[in-house]
Amino acid sequence: GGIITQTPKFLIGQEGQKLTLKCQQNFNHDTMYWYRQDSGKGLRLIYYSITENDLQKGDLSEGYDASREKKSSFSLTVTSAQKNEMAVFLCASSIGGVTGQLYFGEGSKLTVL
Amino acid sequence: DAKTTQPDSMESTEGETVHLPCSHATISGNEYIYWYRQVPLQGPEYVTHGLQQNTTNSMAFLAIASDRKSSTLILTHVSLRDAAVYHCILRVDGNTRKLIFGLGTTLQVQP
Repeated sequence: GGIITQTPKFLIGQEGQKLTLKCQQNFNHDTMYWYRQDSGKGLRLIYYSITENDLQKGDLSEGYDASREKKSSFSLTVTSAQKNEMAVFLCASSIGGVTGQLYFGEGSKLTVL
Repeated sequence: DAKTTQPDSMESTEGETVHLPCSHATISGNEYIYWYRQVPLQGPEYVTHGLQQNTTNSMAFLAIASDRKSSTLILTHVSLRDAAVYHCILRVDGNTRKLIFGLGTTLQVQP
């Protein structure tokens, strides 16, 4: 079996700071995703990528950049952290557009002071 | 992707069989029904999926109504480890690559 590794697990930043989250998968999956989960809300898609160097905007892409330089890795950058922001960012991967079976990482918790 | 409706929460006791309902009255003919579950401090975990026929695996049994407007995830002999948020999601395979997660049903399991 494979695994999705997200780093860091906890991230504390300052207002206005640029913050980057990293995700690695060893499933050899084509498609990778970044979701944001806020307390009391469902998961919201930020960006996804169907192959290396591809980027597709999700419903919540404003305020974020993403990068897929290798098939196995997908990074997400918060371009300007908002004061008192707190959320969990979840990375996932899937074989491709054929299946809806996603494999998720454990999440990265962001706190902005 | 069409919308689903689930109860906010359900309670059960260890050893019982639990029926988690999901309504999807506007489902399209080519939309699959996916179920995920999520425990605190973890990402969602795939449970099962189906199109028209009932399906079963080691985790659960998925019963799909004949008109496909609703489905039920059935968990047998639940344990404390089954306490989680269960998400029912619709997806068109091969077409769109994104799943839309709602708030799901929080299943509480009492000893």
